Amino acid sequence: GENVEQHPSTLSVQEGDSAVIKCTYSDSASNYFPWYKQELGKRPQLIIDIRSNVGEKKDQRIAVTLNKTAKHFSLHITETQPEDSAVYFCALPHPHSGYSTLTFGKGTMLLVSP
Amino acid sequence: DADVTQTPRNRITKTGKRIMLECSQTKGHDRMYWYRQDPGLGLRLIYYSFDVKDINKGEISDGYSVSRQAQAKFSLSLESAIPNQTALYFCATSDPSGGPTDTQYFGPGTRLTVL
Repeated sequence: GENVEQHPSTLSVQEGDSAVIKCTYSDSASNYFPWYKQELGKRPQLIIDIRSNVGEKKDQRIAVTLNKTAKHFSLHITETQPEDSAVYFCALPHPHSGYSTLTFGKGTMLLVSP
Repeated sequence: DADVTQTPRNRITKTGKRIMLECSQTKGHDRMYWYRQDPGLGLRLIYYSFDVKDINKGEISDGYSVSRQAQAKFSLSLESAIPNQTALYFCATSDPSGGPTDTQYFGPGTRLTVL
């Protein structure tokens, strides 16, 4: 299946710093790149996504960048706040389902210290 | 998201027992999924269904079965539970009207412990 590598597995930052999480993939046909956030004890929720026809998308303090040539996409969080503490998952459409299901990365636990 | 519900929320059972986890949704979505979450392994797809008559295996379907009783209901069964099926299980739904791959809406999860 589609292989998606997510790094780092844990990330600790001080409040106000920026955080960057990166995912790399191998299938050049991938065309949809979502990020999900899961707060402690809660369900995963989509926070931002990007399609392959653009290189960057922003939504307030979060942004996703895509480098299709190098086959990686990243989540950027600026001016981090304690409520950004959560596990973040990247995902990719899975080729074996005709790209109609998602394969998730293993997650990054982000801890923002006050 | 209260539109996707799961029952039970927590379950402790013994090895060899049959267990059913249920998922219901009021979002009107045709597509439903079952995932399991283990620490450090992310979310892995067990089964998925794109309509009532469609059932497909995901990447880790061994030891599990599913039933799509109606558009709104998708159940996951463990015929004979084993300890390594101890995990957090999530149901999810999506609406393909936005394209082949679209936002997935997750239920609150069921924490299953097999002793």
